[in-house]
Amino acid sequence: DGGITQSPKYLFRKEGQNVTLSCEQNLNHDAMYWYRQDPGQGLRLIYYSQIVNDFQKGDIAEGYSVSREKKESFPLTVTSAQKNPTAFYLCASSARWTGKQTQYFGPGTRLLVL
Amino acid sequence: DAKTTQPTSMDCAEGRAANLPCNHSTISGNEYVYWYRQIHSQGPQYIIHGLKNNETNEMASLIITEDRKSSTLILPHATLRDTAVYYCIVRVADQTGANNLFFGTGTRLTVIP
Repeated sequence: DGGITQSPKYLFRKEGQNVTLSCEQNLNHDAMYWYRQDPGQGLRLIYYSQIVNDFQKGDIAEGYSVSREKKESFPLTVTSAQKNPTAFYLCASSARWTGKQTQYFGPGTRLLVL
Repeated sequence: DAKTTQPTSMDCAEGRAANLPCNHSTISGNEYVYWYRQIHSQGPQYIIHGLKNNETNEMASLIITEDRKSSTLILPHATLRDTAVYYCIVRVADQTGANNLFFGTGTRLTVIP
């Protein structure tokens, strides 16, 4: 089946620790995105990538880092510099030239700080 | 991007049509209206989008006013599984690459048995 997978579903982080969230897609999409969602709130864009080896900061990039070494993969690292990392993290992808800008989302990873 | 305004919450009886309004009075001529929904603790799901004309697919219908300043998403026969937060988003659909969607707080639709 085509789609986007995120792992793990739940992730626990200790204070001062970096953690990496996985996002993989087999939709052959060029563009990928990371969003953060806090309880009762909408989604906020962290980073996005249009093509391999290129990515851009979103609205709340501080304390996060990404890489895009492969088209299928767009991992997000939550660094110790992110002071309030507890949130629901969503990865999405879209075809670059479609004009429709329809984004397909993964199931999300819930990060909890211990 | 044009901002959107949606009611915070709505209820709908099961089997009835759910009509979710959205105001986007500052929308520009090349901005599309998109609707997504998010069921609790899942990723958002694309529903439908449109520019000027009304649109219909297997999930819903989208009615856009002639002046394009507001739209309504219609779920013709709401089921309990349609209970979710519905997001109305306006965004330019261009060919230059990735575009970012601004998700506000949306409308929480509760379908009542």
